[in-house]
Amino acid sequence: AQSVTQLGSHVSVSEGALVLLRCNYSSSVPPYLFWYVQYPNQGLQLLLKYTSAATLVKGINGFEAEFKKSETSFHLTKPSAHMSDAAEYFCAVTHGSSNTGKLIFGQGTTLQVKP
Amino acid sequence: DGGITQSPKYLFRKEGQNVTLSCEQNLNHDAMYWYRQDPGQGLRLIYYSQIVNDFQKGDIAEGYSVSREKKESFPLTVTSAQKNPTAFYLCASSPTQVTDTQYFGPGTRLTVL
Repeated sequence: AQSVTQLGSHVSVSEGALVLLRCNYSSSVPPYLFWYVQYPNQGLQLLLKYTSAATLVKGINGFEAEFKKSETSFHLTKPSAHMSDAAEYFCAVTHGSSNTGKLIFGQGTTLQVKP
Repeated sequence: DGGITQSPKYLFRKEGQNVTLSCEQNLNHDAMYWYRQDPGQGLRLIYYSQIVNDFQKGDIAEGYSVSREKKESFPLTVTSAQKNPTAFYLCASSPTQVTDTQYFGPGTRLTVL
């Protein structure tokens, strides 16, 4: 069965500091991995996705994530945090052989950016 | 503009009443999904539909019902059988069901009084 674990429900960084949000997945087949961002009382917006092409994936707003099969990880990073990055971030997994397209979501990580 | 709309944004319901949440998309997507979001629990799949006139239960379908009579519409009914319906409900769609990115609507916050 597939699962996703996001380490740390809350992460706090200073403006300009590195952002690192951790995601580990469990999947018996090659996964497709996604990071979404959610601002308060809004829907989810796709940041980036991994679909077995390049292991380093670049997304919107300066975010990127690296797929590491040996570590079953897909951590999200941004070199320099902005105040506007404060939001909740979700990692999600599905896999290519699925016929449902069902996304499995992590619990979410709330990012706080301090001035 | 193409996208997904959900209405209403806020909904209040008395206990024992059924309520229907609207989800419409003009992206020409085949697949549509309903998720429930509770604080600290991420998103959980309620129902999904891969094609018109067909839908499947997700992980937490009890107390909910859906229909898919048109490609662009996937309404969700929260019935009185749902024991704890207060939550944020998100609708999503994708071009097809397999590995495609899901695009989300703005959500409906349901509160049971």
